Amino acid sequence: GIQVEQSPPDLILQEGANSTLRCNFSDSVNNLQWFHQNPWGQLINLFYIPSGTKQNGRLSATTVATERYSLLYISSSQTTDSGVYFCAVEVTGANSKLTFGKGITLSVRP
Amino acid sequence: NAGVMQNPRHLVRRRGQEARLRCSPMKGHSHVYWYRQLPEEGLKFMVYLQKENIIDESGMPKERFSAEFPKEGPSILRIQQVVRGDSAAYFCASSPRLRPLSTDTQYFGPGTRLTVL
Repeated sequence: GIQVEQSPPDLILQEGANSTLRCNFSDSVNNLQWFHQNPWGQLINLFYIPSGTKQNGRLSATTVATERYSLLYISSSQTTDSGVYFCAVEVTGANSKLTFGKGITLSVRP
Repeated sequence: NAGVMQNPRHLVRRRGQEARLRCSPMKGHSHVYWYRQLPEEGLKFMVYLQKENIIDESGMPKERFSAEFPKEGPSILRIQQVVRGDSAAYFCASSPRLRPLSTDTQYFGPGTRLTVL
């Protein structure tokens, strides 16, 4: 099956810093989503981004489907950005199921 | 528009009991997916259902687990004779799937945290 690798596995930032989170995947995908799982366990949709670039406030994401990677950018990080960031992909022809990476644990310190 | 609803949010069962987890998709969504998250891990796909149909159950354990999405009412994930290894967070997601073979964002519920004593 498809491999989804996220890096780095852990990240510690000082409030106000910027960061880039990476997601590599091993096959063609129809769908790619980024999620934030907050400390209470809730999964929050950040981006649906099978290709191209999107921005939402301090967050932006870019997927280069031909090179099989996606990047999530967090600018001016805040303590509320802490949590685990997951990348999930739907393989072409895979009947809708999302395959998740193992996540990146982000801690933003005041 | 209310989001995906799951209940209960927390469920405690003793070994050998049954667990029933419920999921109400977002209004207008007819496609439901269940995922399981073991401690310190990412989510793993379990099953994909449409109303009255199981489309893909390739991620479901072969025994003790079943899922349904009836014509009326929520989707149910049922775990019979629970064991400690079933302790996990179970997430439900829904999507509208507006066209055949199209892709749509999956929206996730808050999850049910199952603890087996």
